[in-house]
Amino acid sequence: GEDVEQSLFLSVREGDSSVINCTYTDSSSTYLYWYKQEPGAGLQLLTYIFSNMDMKQDQRLTVLLNKKDKHLSLRIADTQTGDSAIYFCAESMTDTGRRALTFGSGTRLQVQP
Amino acid sequence: KAGVTQTPRYLIKTRGQQVTLSCSPISGHRSVSWYQQTPGQGLQFLFEYFSETQRNKGNFPGRFSGRQFSNSRSEMNVSTLELGDSALYLCASSSSTVGETQYFGPGTRLLVL
Repeated sequence: GEDVEQSLFLSVREGDSSVINCTYTDSSSTYLYWYKQEPGAGLQLLTYIFSNMDMKQDQRLTVLLNKKDKHLSLRIADTQTGDSAIYFCAESMTDTGRRALTFGSGTRLQVQP
Repeated sequence: KAGVTQTPRYLIKTRGQQVTLSCSPISGHRSVSWYQQTPGQGLQFLFEYFSETQRNKGNFPGRFSGRQFSNSRSEMNVSTLELGDSALYLCASSSSTVGETQYFGPGTRLLVL
């Protein structure tokens, strides 16, 4: 079955790095995503990684994938107050062409000035 | 390109009524998915439409239905509203390529009284 887990809360100081972790259980997952949600808003796609990769970097964002341990992490370098939001990890099995995403419960990131 | 748009943004209904929500995908995207977000259950997949056909369905009662038009715009309908249907309803669109990422709209916030 599918299950995605995240820690609920992370607090960091402005300028520090943030690391948000996620574990998933379905080894059939082909794509793993990170979305950001600000208060009262929809989901903003931050980045994604294909399951045959182990790392992806995009400006301040670094995604690490440990497929053996089914562990995904998102590192935000030089965290800013504007990064305060809820971050969702999601997995998708798209080999059948179906795009249902299974989301974690979200990690609330609080950035202190 | 314009992003995913959803209307209305806010809606208040009473128990027993029905509601229709609308979603316009990104131009060129043929797949539209719907998700429900609540504080208790988090983000849950409702259904996905592609080329006017429902291709995948989540675990929701039959009161939740949807459809897609030839221009890829989609509507979802909830009949006989219950208090527990109060939620943020998010629509996401993606292109027809397998593995293509989903882009979310701002959501429709439904309050059932």
